[in-house]
Amino acid sequence: AQSVTQLGSHVSVSEGALVLLRCNYSSSVPPYLFWYVQYPNQGLQLLLKYTSAATLVKGINGFEAEFKKSETSFHLTKPSAHMSDAAEYFCAVSERYGGSQGNLIFGKGTKLSVKP
Amino acid sequence: DAGITQSPRHKVTETGTPVTLRCHQTENHRYMYWYRQDPGHGLRLIHYSYGVKDTDKGEVSDGYSVSRSKTEDFLLTLESATSSQTSVYFCAISERLAGSNTGELFFGEGSRLTVL
Repeated sequence: AQSVTQLGSHVSVSEGALVLLRCNYSSSVPPYLFWYVQYPNQGLQLLLKYTSAATLVKGINGFEAEFKKSETSFHLTKPSAHMSDAAEYFCAVSERYGGSQGNLIFGKGTKLSVKP
Repeated sequence: DAGITQSPRHKVTETGTPVTLRCHQTENHRYMYWYRQDPGHGLRLIHYSYGVKDTDKGEVSDGYSVSRSKTEDFLLTLESATSSQTSVYFCAISERLAGSNTGELFFGEGSRLTVL
């Protein structure tokens, strides 16, 4: 079965510093991978997704993620944190094949705090 | 923003009472989902629908039922609510394009349910 592990339930960075949120997946075949962001009292919105084109994926708000098959990772980065980046971030995986293809399995989330 | 409306947005109820949450979409998307979000667990899939009257179970379906009589509406019912079902419930929709199962999920604003 597929699964997603997000390392670190809370990450704190200073404004202007590098943001690195870690995600590792478990899957027998290369999956589709997603990062979603959730601002307080809101639903989730898509930041970016990997669907087997370029391994470096660029998303909204300056975020990007790199798919590394050898490391089974899909870490999210942003060169310079902004106060408005404070939110909870979820990594998700979806199967390419089978009856549940397209259904997303989410990690437990990482809360990002940005200090002034 | 995707046209997804969840109702009610907040509900407090007592153990043993029935509860129905409604998700209404104006996007005419084929796929609809119900997730629950709990601290430390991320989002977990309860049930999903791939068409009118076509539904299937997700990871945490026990104690929940769903119905979809129209494309635009997806109902989640707790027949007899328990305190363990206190959670934030999110509806999501997706239009998996022909030949692709990587359709982005669009989320509603969530329904916060408290079972006393």
